[in-house]
Amino acid sequence: QKEVEQDPGPLSVPEGAIVSLNCTYSNSAFQYFMWYRQYSRKGPELLMYTYSSGNKEDGRFTAQVDKSSKYISLFIRDSQPSDSATYLCAVSYGNNRLAFGKGNQVVVIP
Amino acid sequence: DAGVTQSPTHLIKTRGQQVTLRCSPKSGHDTVSWYQQALGQGPQFIFQYYEEEERQRGNFPDRFSGHQFPNYSSELNVNALLLGDSALYLCASSSPREWEEEQYFGPGTRLTVT
Repeated sequence: QKEVEQDPGPLSVPEGAIVSLNCTYSNSAFQYFMWYRQYSRKGPELLMYTYSSGNKEDGRFTAQVDKSSKYISLFIRDSQPSDSATYLCAVSYGNNRLAFGKGNQVVVIP
Repeated sequence: DAGVTQSPTHLIKTRGQQVTLRCSPKSGHDTVSWYQQALGQGPQFIFQYYEEEERQRGNFPDRFSGHQFPNYSSELNVNALLLGDSALYLCASSSPREWEEEQYFGPGTRLTVT
Protein backbone atom coordinates (compact mmCIF):
# COMPACT_ATOMS: atom_id res chain seq x y z
CA GLN A 1 0.00 0.00 0.00
CA LYS A 2 1.36 3.39 -0.97
CA GLU A 3 2.04 5.83 1.85
CA VAL A 4 0.05 8.59 0.21
CA GLU A 5 -2.43 8.45 -2.66
CA GLN A 6 -3.34 11.36 -4.87
CA ASP A 7 -5.58 11.00 -7.90
CA PRO A 8 -3.26 12.44 -10.58
CA GLY A 9 -5.95 13.68 -12.93
CA PRO A 10 -5.44 17.16 -14.46
CA LEU A 11 -7.78 19.95 -13.44
CA SER A 12 -8.83 22.95 -15.57
CA VAL A 13 -10.81 25.74 -13.93
CA PRO A 14 -11.82 29.26 -14.97
CA GLU A 15 -10.14 32.18 -13.27
CA GLY A 16 -11.81 33.00 -9.97
CA ALA A 17 -13.05 29.46 -9.31
CA ILE A 18 -12.28 27.43 -6.20
CA VAL A 19 -9.77 24.63 -6.68
CA SER A 20 -10.15 21.60 -4.44
CA LEU A 21 -7.40 18.99 -4.19
CA ASN A 22 -7.13 16.00 -1.87
CA CYS A 23 -5.03 13.03 -0.85
CA THR A 24 -5.35 10.03 1.42
CA TYR A 25 -2.56 8.49 3.45
CA SER A 26 -2.07 5.07 4.96
CA ASN A 27 -0.23 5.42 8.28
CA SER A 28 -1.71 7.23 11.26
CA ALA A 29 1.83 7.82 12.57
CA PHE A 30 2.45 10.57 10.02
CA GLN A 31 2.81 13.89 11.82
CA TYR A 32 3.33 16.51 9.13
CA PHE A 33 1.11 17.10 6.13
CA MET A 34 2.34 19.36 3.39
CA TRP A 35 1.44 20.75 0.03
CA TYR A 36 4.17 21.53 -2.45
CA ARG A 37 3.73 23.49 -5.67
CA GLN A 38 5.84 22.67 -8.70
CA TYR A 39 6.00 24.92 -11.73
CA SER A 40 7.14 23.53 -15.05
CA ARG A 41 10.89 22.92 -15.18
CA LYS A 42 11.28 23.83 -11.51
CA GLY A 43 11.70 21.94 -8.28
CA PRO A 44 8.82 21.70 -5.79
CA GLU A 45 8.42 24.52 -3.27
CA LEU A 46 6.60 24.28 0.05
CA LEU A 47 3.23 25.98 -0.11
CA MET A 48 1.66 25.06 3.22
CA TYR A 49 2.01 22.56 6.01
CA THR A 50 -0.14 21.32 8.87
CA TYR A 51 0.92 19.52 12.01
CA SER A 52 -1.64 17.03 13.26
CA SER A 53 -5.33 17.70 12.49
CA GLY A 54 -7.12 20.90 11.69
CA ASN A 55 -7.17 23.74 9.25
CA LYS A 56 -4.57 26.25 8.26
CA GLU A 57 -5.23 29.31 6.15
CA ASP A 58 -2.77 31.49 4.27
CA GLY A 59 -4.32 34.11 2.07
CA ARG A 60 -6.26 32.35 -0.69
CA PHE A 61 -4.99 28.91 0.38
CA THR A 62 -6.51 26.61 3.00
CA ALA A 63 -5.04 23.26 4.04
CA GLN A 64 -7.11 20.73 5.99
CA VAL A 65 -6.17 17.48 7.69
CA ASP A 66 -8.66 14.93 9.01
CA LYS A 67 -6.63 12.32 10.86
CA SER A 68 -9.71 10.21 11.63
CA SER A 69 -10.22 9.54 7.93
CA LYS A 70 -6.56 9.99 6.91
CA TYR A 71 -7.58 12.67 4.43
CA ILE A 72 -5.77 15.88 3.51
CA SER A 73 -7.10 18.70 1.36
CA LEU A 74 -5.99 21.93 -0.25
CA PHE A 75 -8.40 24.66 -1.34
CA ILE A 76 -7.44 27.61 -3.51
CA ARG A 77 -9.96 30.45 -3.53
CA ASP A 78 -10.24 33.05 -6.29
CA SER A 79 -7.82 31.06 -8.45
CA GLN A 80 -5.46 33.01 -10.70
CA PRO A 81 -3.63 32.02 -13.89
CA SER A 82 -0.39 32.24 -11.84
CA ASP A 83 -1.71 29.34 -9.74
CA SER A 84 -1.33 27.04 -12.76
CA ALA A 85 1.14 24.41 -11.60
CA THR A 86 1.37 20.86 -10.30
CA TYR A 87 0.34 20.47 -6.66
CA LEU A 88 1.89 17.64 -4.68
CA CYS A 89 0.72 16.47 -1.28
CA ALA A 90 3.43 15.10 1.02
CA VAL A 91 3.53 13.45 4.42
CA SER A 92 6.30 12.93 6.94
CA TYR A 93 6.87 11.08 10.20
CA GLY A 94 8.89 14.07 11.36
CA ASN A 95 12.15 12.51 10.25
CA ASN A 96 12.86 14.91 7.43
CA ARG A 97 11.91 12.28 4.83
CA LEU A 98 8.97 13.13 2.62
CA ALA A 99 6.53 10.76 0.90
CA PHE A 100 4.77 12.44 -2.01
CA GLY A 101 1.56 11.84 -3.90
CA LYS A 102 1.58 11.76 -7.70
CA GLY A 103 0.50 15.37 -8.04
CA ASN A 104 -2.37 17.21 -9.72
CA GLN A 105 -1.71 19.47 -12.68
CA VAL A 106 -3.92 22.53 -12.28
CA VAL A 107 -4.62 24.92 -15.15
CA VAL A 108 -6.43 28.18 -14.41
CA ILE A 109 -7.94 29.60 -17.59
CA PRO A 110 -8.13 33.42 -17.84
CA ASP B 1 21.30 34.16 -1.17
CA ALA B 2 21.85 31.25 -3.56
CA GLY B 3 19.26 28.53 -3.45
CA VAL B 4 19.87 24.87 -4.20
CA THR B 5 21.80 24.39 -7.42
CA GLN B 6 22.18 21.21 -9.45
CA SER B 7 24.30 20.21 -12.40
CA PRO B 8 24.03 19.29 -15.13
CA THR B 9 20.57 20.41 -16.21
CA HIS B 10 20.10 17.62 -18.72
CA LEU B 11 21.96 14.41 -19.37
CA ILE B 12 21.59 11.61 -21.90
CA LYS B 13 23.22 8.27 -21.16
CA THR B 14 23.17 4.80 -22.64
CA ARG B 15 21.89 1.74 -20.80
CA GLY B 16 24.67 0.17 -18.72
CA GLN B 17 26.63 3.39 -18.29
CA GLN B 18 27.30 5.23 -15.04
CA VAL B 19 26.27 8.79 -14.18
CA THR B 20 27.15 11.35 -11.51
CA LEU B 21 24.84 14.20 -10.59
CA ARG B 22 25.87 17.12 -8.39
CA CYS B 23 24.11 19.34 -5.88
CA SER B 24 25.04 22.40 -3.85
CA PRO B 25 22.70 23.06 -0.91
CA LYS B 26 21.16 26.37 0.05
CA SER B 27 23.51 28.58 1.98
CA GLY B 28 23.56 27.56 5.64
CA HIS B 29 22.07 24.12 5.03
CA ASP B 30 23.99 20.97 5.86
CA THR B 31 21.51 18.17 5.11
CA VAL B 32 21.01 17.00 1.54
CA SER B 33 18.31 14.62 0.31
CA TRP B 34 17.92 13.15 -3.16
CA TYR B 35 14.62 12.30 -4.82
CA GLN B 36 13.71 10.63 -8.12
CA GLN B 37 10.68 11.98 -9.98
CA ALA B 38 9.53 9.86 -12.92
CA LEU B 39 7.27 11.45 -15.50
CA GLY B 40 3.77 11.91 -14.11
CA GLN B 41 4.80 10.76 -10.64
CA GLY B 42 5.62 12.43 -7.36
CA PRO B 43 9.21 12.54 -6.10
CA GLN B 44 10.45 9.37 -4.39
CA PHE B 45 13.03 9.54 -1.61
CA ILE B 46 16.38 7.97 -2.53
CA PHE B 47 18.62 8.85 0.43
CA GLN B 48 19.77 11.63 2.72
CA TYR B 49 23.22 12.82 3.77
CA TYR B 50 24.22 14.63 6.92
CA GLU B 51 27.75 15.15 8.27
CA GLU B 52 29.11 13.31 5.24
CA GLU B 53 27.23 10.11 6.08
CA GLU B 54 24.13 8.48 4.66
CA ARG B 55 21.52 9.01 7.37
CA GLN B 56 18.42 7.52 5.73
CA ARG B 57 17.75 5.49 2.61
CA GLY B 58 14.62 4.79 0.62
CA ASN B 59 13.74 1.69 -1.33
CA PHE B 60 16.36 2.01 -4.05
CA PRO B 61 18.94 -0.60 -5.11
CA ASP B 62 22.63 -0.37 -4.34
CA ARG B 63 23.24 0.89 -7.87
CA PHE B 64 22.30 4.24 -6.37
CA SER B 65 25.01 5.65 -4.16
CA GLY B 66 25.99 9.04 -2.93
CA HIS B 67 28.52 11.18 -1.22
CA GLN B 68 28.59 14.38 0.77
CA PHE B 69 31.64 16.61 0.88
CA PRO B 70 32.92 18.74 3.78
CA ASN B 71 31.37 21.84 2.16
CA TYR B 72 27.97 20.02 2.32
CA SER B 73 27.66 19.62 -1.45
CA SER B 74 26.63 16.17 -2.59
CA GLU B 75 26.81 13.75 -5.49
CA LEU B 76 24.41 11.06 -6.61
CA ASN B 77 25.92 8.18 -8.56
CA VAL B 78 23.95 5.62 -10.50
CA ASN B 79 25.70 2.56 -11.94
CA ALA B 80 24.56 0.14 -14.64
CA LEU B 81 21.86 2.48 -15.86
CA LEU B 82 18.49 1.03 -16.83
CA LEU B 83 15.86 2.56 -19.08
CA GLY B 84 13.67 2.91 -15.97
CA ASP B 85 16.21 5.23 -14.39
CA SER B 86 15.08 7.97 -16.78
CA ALA B 87 13.64 10.65 -14.52
CA LEU B 88 14.10 14.08 -12.99
CA TYR B 89 16.53 13.84 -10.08
CA LEU B 90 15.88 16.41 -7.40
CA CYS B 91 18.17 17.51 -4.65
CA ALA B 92 16.72 19.10 -1.52
CA SER B 93 18.49 20.75 1.38
CA SER B 94 17.50 21.52 4.95
CA SER B 95 19.07 22.37 8.29
CA PRO B 96 18.52 21.03 11.83
CA ARG B 97 18.78 24.66 12.97
CA GLU B 98 15.59 25.42 11.02
CA TRP B 99 12.38 23.42 10.62
CA GLU B 100 13.82 20.33 8.96
CA GLU B 101 10.59 19.23 7.32
CA GLU B 102 10.80 22.28 5.06
CA GLN B 103 13.09 21.12 2.32
CA TYR B 104 14.32 23.45 -0.38
CA PHE B 105 14.47 21.80 -3.78
CA GLY B 106 16.73 22.51 -6.69
CA PRO B 107 15.49 22.60 -10.30
CA GLY B 108 16.60 19.02 -10.87
CA THR B 109 18.69 17.13 -13.41
CA ARG B 110 16.74 15.51 -16.23
CA LEU B 111 18.35 12.12 -16.97
CA THR B 112 17.41 10.25 -20.11
CA VAL B 113 18.65 6.67 -20.54
CA THR B 114 18.51 5.30 -24.09
